[in-house]
Amino acid sequence: AQRVTQPEKLLSVFKGAPVELKCNYSYSGSPELFWYVQYSRQRLQLLLRHISRESIKGFTADLNKGETSFHLKKPFAQEEDSAMYYCALSAYGGSQGNLIFGKGTKLSVKP
Amino acid sequence: EAGVAQSPRYKIIEKRQSVAFWCNPISGHATLYWYQQILGQGPKLLIQFQNNGVVDDSQLPKDRFSAERLKGVDSTLKIQPAKLEDSAVYLCASSPGLAGGLYNEQFFGPGTRLTVL
Repeated sequence: AQRVTQPEKLLSVFKGAPVELKCNYSYSGSPELFWYVQYSRQRLQLLLRHISRESIKGFTADLNKGETSFHLKKPFAQEEDSAMYYCALSAYGGSQGNLIFGKGTKLSVKP
Repeated sequence: EAGVAQSPRYKIIEKRQSVAFWCNPISGHATLYWYQQILGQGPKLLIQFQNNGVVDDSQLPKDRFSAERLKGVDSTLKIQPAKLEDSAVYLCASSPGLAGGLYNEQFFGPGTRLTVL
């Protein structure tokens, strides 16, 4: 069964500290992995996708197929990074691209 | 471009009542999704449309939930009758790509928060 696991409900760091939000997935095929973010009182929006291999707002994420992980990292957290982060999986070529979300991790960056 | 629009933003009903939600996707987007997000959980797909056809409704509780996307644009999601466990945020999203395509960014609406008493 397809599943996305985000083990931390809440992650609290100080400004300037490194941050890593963990995401593990379960899927036997070739998945597409995404990170979506929801800032306070804003809509859920795409942060980055693994196929782009890009850095957005200083965040990066590498797909590790051996460990079935897609952890989100940023070397120096900023207060404006405080938000809810969701890891999501799309079964490319299988189930018409539906997104399967994890439960989310709330990131709190303290001044 | 205008984003995905949803209404109402909030709805409070009693159990066994009916409720309907409306979604207007981004113009030109072929694929439309309805998600249910229960407090403390990630969004869970209820139904996916491509134009006016249903692509996936495997997780839609069809005994009480129904959805339609007439003319391949706006969509409505209905619950009849509502149960306490239906209390959640209902999110609508749209995507420019066709179902199954490689490019699959979904654009989300603000959601409708439903409380069933």
